[in-house]
Amino acid sequence: GAVVSQHPSWVICKSGTSVKIECRSLDFQATTMFWYRQFPKQSLMLMATSNEGSKATYEQGVEKDKFLINHASLTLSTLTVTSAHPEDSSFYICSARYRADIQYFGAGTRLSVL
Amino acid sequence: AQSVAQPEDQVNVAEGNPLTVKCTYSVSGNPYLFWYVQYPNRGLQFLLKYITGDNLVKGSYGFEAEFNKSQTSFHLKKPSALVSDSALYFCAVRDMENDYKLSFGAGTTVTVRA
Repeated sequence: GAVVSQHPSWVICKSGTSVKIECRSLDFQATTMFWYRQFPKQSLMLMATSNEGSKATYEQGVEKDKFLINHASLTLSTLTVTSAHPEDSSFYICSARYRADIQYFGAGTRLSVL
Repeated sequence: AQSVAQPEDQVNVAEGNPLTVKCTYSVSGNPYLFWYVQYPNRGLQFLLKYITGDNLVKGSYGFEAEFNKSQTSFHLKKPSALVSDSALYFCAVRDMENDYKLSFGAGTTVTVRA
């Protein structure tokens, strides 16, 4: 299957700092990528849809100024958690749409805000 | 709106026994259904999908799923479970109103005992 790389896999930061997470499609071009948040033992919650060359579409209740998404190329989308606070600690997962139907997922990023 | 339900939080089976993970769906048109598996602290891995065609879909790692329109179900099955199949399994449906978005079930934790 297609490969999606997500980096870093784990990050610890101080409250008030910003953290950038990268999502790369390694062997295919992805015009659309997705960012999810997952709480322990829960399902994935879609945060936003990232479209190459245009603004991201955020789900209801997700603060776009806090979770900045940039999809500058067909193989890279980034999620920046700005002014992170402990309640932002979570597991963040990206996915990239491959062809018409399948999303391939990154390995996820564990964010811990102290 | 599209949705899927996974009625079982946990499934426990002995190695070598058949494994079934249940999923029911609710859609307003033709369903596009997926199964993903997640290992601890990892992203999701694509197992299989149903778009159209044969009701029995074969996927990765010996898994298959049966689409049943009359029962609105898409159960995941494996004839002989392995200890390494222990993981979190998600059923998902593609949202036809918001193209390419996936709506996930709550997940089912599968434990295969030796």
